[in-house]
Amino acid sequence: DAGVTQSPTHLIKTRGQQVTLRCSPKSGHDTVSWYQQALGQGPQFIFQYYEEEERQRGNFPDRFSGHQFPNYSSELNVNALLLGDSALYLCASSPIGTGIVHEQYFGPGTRLTVT
Amino acid sequence: AQTVTQSQPEMSVQEAETVTLSCTYDTSESDYYLFWYKQPPSRQMILVIRQEAYKQQNATENRFSVNFQKAAKSFSLKISDSQLGDAAMYFCAYSEDDKIIFGKGTRLHILP
Repeated sequence: DAGVTQSPTHLIKTRGQQVTLRCSPKSGHDTVSWYQQALGQGPQFIFQYYEEEERQRGNFPDRFSGHQFPNYSSELNVNALLLGDSALYLCASSPIGTGIVHEQYFGPGTRLTVT
Repeated sequence: AQTVTQSQPEMSVQEAETVTLSCTYDTSESDYYLFWYKQPPSRQMILVIRQEAYKQQNATENRFSVNFQKAAKSFSLKISDSQLGDAAMYFCAYSEDDKIIFGKGTRLHILP
C-alpha cells in the first residue's frame, strides 16, 4: 500500500515564475491538505481539498492555488514566485469525516528554492 | 490566534536515558486533538502520538508517553530509553476545523 507521494522532490525556480507541485494521496484517502514549511519553522496550513473543491484555506495570498482531480490527487500552484516562497511543501492526505485530522498522513515533501 | 509554543529549540539526551519535550498551546475550543510529530532528516513527518482532548487519560505508544494538562493547556512528550533513531525535529501540534497547527519544533540530539 503506497503512502502519500509527492513530485518533484526538489525544484529550483526564478523569482516571478510559476510552479506546480503534485501529490497523490494514500490509498483510500479522499482529502488532501497542503502545508508550507519554511526553514527552521513548523508547517503552516495552506489549504485543503475535498471532492475537487477547496474546503478551507489558511492565511496565504491568492498566488497560491490548488486543484484536486477525480482520482483524489492534487496540485499546488504558486504564481509570481517570491524569494520568501522558498520552503518545503508538504502534502497530507486523510479520509473525510472524523478521520481528517487524526488520520492525516504526510508525504516526503517538495523542496522549492526560489532564486 | 491559535498558537503552539515549544520553548526548547534544542535538547540533548544520553542514549537509554529519558527526556521530556515541553509544549503549550492556546485554543478556545473544548474538543480538539493534540499531536507530537517527528521529522527526521528524510523530511517525512511521522505521527508519534495523538491525544484526544476530551480524554483525561494520557496517551502512550511504547516508549513515548504524554503528560496532558488540559486546564494548563500543556502537552509534554516523554521519551523513555532514548535510541539513536529518535534523533529528529519534534513538532507539537493541535487541531481545529480539520487542519493542524504546528509549533516551531524542538531538535532532539541523542548522545551515544
